[in-house]
Amino acid sequence: EIVLTQSPGTLSLSPGERATLSCRASQSVSSTYLAWYQQKPGQAPRLLIYGASSRATGIPDRFSGSGSGTDFTLTISRLEPEDFAVYYCQQYGSSLTFGGGTKVEIK
Amino acid sequence: EVQLVESGGGLVQPGGSLRLSCAASGFTFSSYAMHWVRQAPGKGLEYVSAISSNGGSTYYANSVKGRFTISRDNSKNTLYLQMGSLRAEDMAVYYCASLSSSTHNYWGQGTLVTVSS
Repeated sequence: EIVLTQSPGTLSLSPGERATLSCRASQSVSSTYLAWYQQKPGQAPRLLIYGASSRATGIPDRFSGSGSGTDFTLTISRLEPEDFAVYYCQQYGSSLTFGGGTKVEIK
Repeated sequence: EVQLVESGGGLVQPGGSLRLSCAASGFTFSSYAMHWVRQAPGKGLEYVSAISSNGGSTYYANSVKGRFTISRDNSKNTLYLQMGSLRAEDMAVYYCASLSSSTHNYWGQGTLVTVSS
């Protein structure tokens, strides 16, 4: 099973700042099969990024994904108030697994 | 509009059983694999189980293998998760999801399973 490790666990930032979230895989993941989700309290996860770097429909361009192999990154260029949430990476190339999540909180 | 509506959650004693259902609408249910993902209180997402579009292939996480059974009824557009020998660590919100592509990525609102005596 591919294990995804996200860091940091919590990111404390102010609106307007840049957020950089990391996802490291225990073995190589095809970029085609790496996704990022956003989850707010009491809500189901929402797909942000698929194929490591493609934004899902309706996702603002301040969200971007990058990476390959075992190291992937989600970047939020300028945090908006609605971006404070928990973010999960997911691989779906070998079964399906989620990372442990990164909470982006208001500083 | 695609809708996935889970039901069947509730309070169950350790060792007990529960059956979750997920009613799907707004898409051709029989054409898509379906999944169950759970989230323990205050914790992250855990992939639990999956079933192919025709029900012929299933997957279970090691944590539930031998205790949970996933099934579907394509004539009723409904997904099921039969859960047995429930443990405290099975307590979670259980989400039904259809995750076949970037444009077909749908989640239900979740149903809470509480395991407690």
